[in-house]
Amino acid sequence: GAVVSQHPSWVICKSGTSVKIECRSLDFQATTMFWYRQFPKQSLMLMATSNEGSKATYEQGVEKDKFLINHASLTLSTLTVTSAHPEDSSFYICSPLNPAPGVFGSGTQLSVL
Amino acid sequence: KQEVTQIPAALSVPEGENLVLNCSFTDSAIYNLQWFRQDPGKGLTSLLLIQSSQREQTSGRLNASLDKSSGRSTLYIAASQPGDSATYLCAVQSNYGQNFVFGPGTRLSVLP
Repeated sequence: GAVVSQHPSWVICKSGTSVKIECRSLDFQATTMFWYRQFPKQSLMLMATSNEGSKATYEQGVEKDKFLINHASLTLSTLTVTSAHPEDSSFYICSPLNPAPGVFGSGTQLSVL
Repeated sequence: KQEVTQIPAALSVPEGENLVLNCSFTDSAIYNLQWFRQDPGKGLTSLLLIQSSQREQTSGRLNASLDKSSGRSTLYIAASQPGDSATYLCAVQSNYGQNFVFGPGTRLSVLP
């Protein structure tokens, strides 16, 4: 079955630094990748959709200059949290549109000090 | 805009009880509905996926049903165990953007 490898699983960083999260599709090509985040004690919310070779689309309230998404190949999509601040501390998880529904990465827990 | 709600928000039961978790969604134009469990600080574990043309799915002690016309799904857990303690999330895959829309979850505690 389709497998998405997401790294890192958790990261702790200082305020002001940038953090890159990678999602790799191991046995399929992902033309579209959804990125979700989950704040403490809340549910997961879609934050952006990346498409291979084109600009990502962001949900309302998500700063595109802060959350940089790169989907330059069919097997790799990355989310970079630039100049991270404590309020960006959250659980981030990716999910490809194809080939199978409901496939998710293992998630990244980001803690910004 | 699709909205997903889950009832109850939290549930505490003694071990061995059968229980039902409820999920409602506002727009019946969905591809799939999926139930997940999430342990504290962890990712998602897929439990059951029901395609829009299906009415239920079963896996072990779990049974999920889908009534698309009424916008409802239930997750039935038989003979609950302490290891079932987790947050259970319901998510629907929209026909439009095809992303999943998640409910707020039901936090389940099964007491030994």
